[in-house]
Amino acid sequence: EAQVTQNPRYLITVTGKKLTVTCSQNMNHEYMSWYRQDPGLGLRQIYYSMNVEVTDKGDVPEGYKVSRKEKRNFPLILESPSPNQTSLYFCASRSQVTQYFGPGTRLLVL
Amino acid sequence: QKEVEQNSGPLSVPEGAIASLNCTYSDRGSQSFFWYRQYSGKSPELIMFIYSNGDKEDGRFTAQLNKASQYVSLLIRDSQPSDSATYLCALGGSNYKLTFGKGTLLTVNP
Repeated sequence: EAQVTQNPRYLITVTGKKLTVTCSQNMNHEYMSWYRQDPGLGLRQIYYSMNVEVTDKGDVPEGYKVSRKEKRNFPLILESPSPNQTSLYFCASRSQVTQYFGPGTRLLVL
Repeated sequence: QKEVEQNSGPLSVPEGAIASLNCTYSDRGSQSFFWYRQYSGKSPELIMFIYSNGDKEDGRFTAQLNKASQYVSLLIRDSQPSDSATYLCALGGSNYKLTFGKGTLLTVNP
């Protein structure tokens, strides 16, 4: 079954405590991306990756890092989270015609 | 920067009616167009994609694309309460990036 998995699904943390949200896909897709979704602002792309070791900024990259050491994994790193990074995060993996989303990670930064 | 505008909603229709969702875009270079459905608290799921001018039908769903007028629409025939969700329009360009509208909330009343 085509799948994008994310962990954790829910996370409460405090300002400044580094965290990583993992993302994995089983479809051998080259293109992966991270989005955040906020009320009234819609889905906004944070970072994307065209292939292993190839990553680039999306529309709202500030405060985030990513890495792509393997094709299937694309973790999102918040080195020093702040309350304005409280949001719903989606990882996505794309073929030519279809983009699959992970189940989402709801993050609360206190 | 690409802009995607969706009718603001919320849109409310009675069960069995046709729901019409509209999306306009600014980038004439957009090549692919997608409609996603997102239930509250869930990840977006692809309903349809369309590349060419005209209509594309899939069951109760019809996507319509008019590149000259820069709009794409989604018609849902025989609307059901289970169709109640937020509908997201997305544009794809020459790279793999998708740009999303903010979504239209549809409610189908029994």
